Amino acid sequence: SAVISQKPSRDICQRGTSLTIQCQVDSQVTMMFWYRQQPGQSLTLIATANQGSEATYESGFVIDKFPISRPNLTFSTLTVSNMSPEDSSIYLCSVEGSGSNTQYFGPGTRLTVL
Amino acid sequence: QQQVKQSPQSLIVQKGGISIINCAYENTAFDYFPWYQQFPGKGPALLIAIRPDVSEKKEGRFTISFNKSAKQFSLHIMDSQPGDSATYFCAASLGGRRALTFGSGTRLQVQP
Repeated sequence: SAVISQKPSRDICQRGTSLTIQCQVDSQVTMMFWYRQQPGQSLTLIATANQGSEATYESGFVIDKFPISRPNLTFSTLTVSNMSPEDSSIYLCSVEGSGSNTQYFGPGTRLTVL
Repeated sequence: QQQVKQSPQSLIVQKGGISIINCAYENTAFDYFPWYQQFPGKGPALLIAIRPDVSEKKEGRFTISFNKSAKQFSLHIMDSQPGDSATYFCAASLGGRRALTFGSGTRLQVQP
């Protein structure tokens, strides 16, 4: 299994500002994913981030709003730009285990936008 | 379009009872079906997973039953305990795509 940490664990931000969320993994992984979990809801995939290539975004999510970096095989960042209260959610990164479909999730970043 | 439908939305079970959560999928190309357990304030944790060439998989008190023809799969928690109280998500993925499509979640409460 992989051990994943996220920073910050939670934050309260003002409308119109941006927040960058960091995801660190204890081993090298090819595929990393970013999900959003709105309050009391299920998880929705934002994008898939592979090292050395542009992130692939799901329908309804755009790079200008959620820019992603993947500088190496153990680290990724997700930025939530020009935030509005509708962006208040838990943002989770996940990685795929080596040689399997198993995905491991980080603890999440709880974002509140005022 | 929701590709994985989960029911019930919430479930209350007595300690020692059996908890059953059901999911149905639409995309026949899905080839990996995991179940995740999530406690408040935590990320989802993998419980058990199955592939469509197997009809049942058991790990401890947790069992997945899979019906390929009906495009349904379910999670059974035997001898449910208060510590099992959490939200459970079914999911599915395509082999080549890897990203997970999640069901809507079931909030399980096991009463002592």
